[in-house]
Amino acid sequence: LAKTTQPISMDSYEGQEVNITCSHNNIATNDYITWYQQFPSQGPRFIIQGYKTKVTNEVASLFIPADRKSSTLSLPRVSLSDTAVYYCLVGDIDNNNDMRFGAGTRLTVKP
Amino acid sequence: DTGVSQDPRHKITKRGQNVTFRCDPISEHNRLYWYRQTLGQGPEFLTYFQNEAQLEKSRLLSDRFSAERPKGSFSTLEIQRTEQGDSAMYLCASSFWDQMVEQFFGPGTRLTVL
Repeated sequence: LAKTTQPISMDSYEGQEVNITCSHNNIATNDYITWYQQFPSQGPRFIIQGYKTKVTNEVASLFIPADRKSSTLSLPRVSLSDTAVYYCLVGDIDNNNDMRFGAGTRLTVKP
Repeated sequence: DTGVSQDPRHKITKRGQNVTFRCDPISEHNRLYWYRQTLGQGPEFLTYFQNEAQLEKSRLLSDRFSAERPKGSFSTLEIQRTEQGDSAMYLCASSFWDQMVEQFFGPGTRLTVL
């Protein structure tokens, strides 16, 4: 399974765009990239998943360059309620029977 | 509320006691997962079921840990002879069998072993 590396923490201010980058140099051909969000005292919540190029949903965008060795989660115009830990996961969704969470990135949004 | 529920939300026990946690998944989901999460770390996968079959249990932390899903609906996670190192949040999640990347997590059971 590909190992992921993310910044431990990030600070931002309300209304700004936040980009969290995840490195996964050993990503395999069949691996997908998935991001989860976790608030204190809650279970993680699925945000977005992608394989290559760009994926956008109502919550975030995911940018994946051609070599797929990194990915960037983009949160537009964050608010205080976006303060959470964000996890990047990489795995083969067809053959991988587990998901490996790293320590994640703790995002703090300030007023 | 049709989300994943877990019971109890908090459990305090003394070292050496057995504890059992329950998870009720989203009813349409046939996959159910258990994770453990310690402070400052991401969730750590323990085991998962597809319907009533436990398809992966090699990641259970020791033979003191066991899980069941007898009728393919709710599941229980039991820890025997608890140790202080078992203190953690235990999370349950569920998904459709072909959408395992999008797992729906419950609120967790926080275990404190004194």
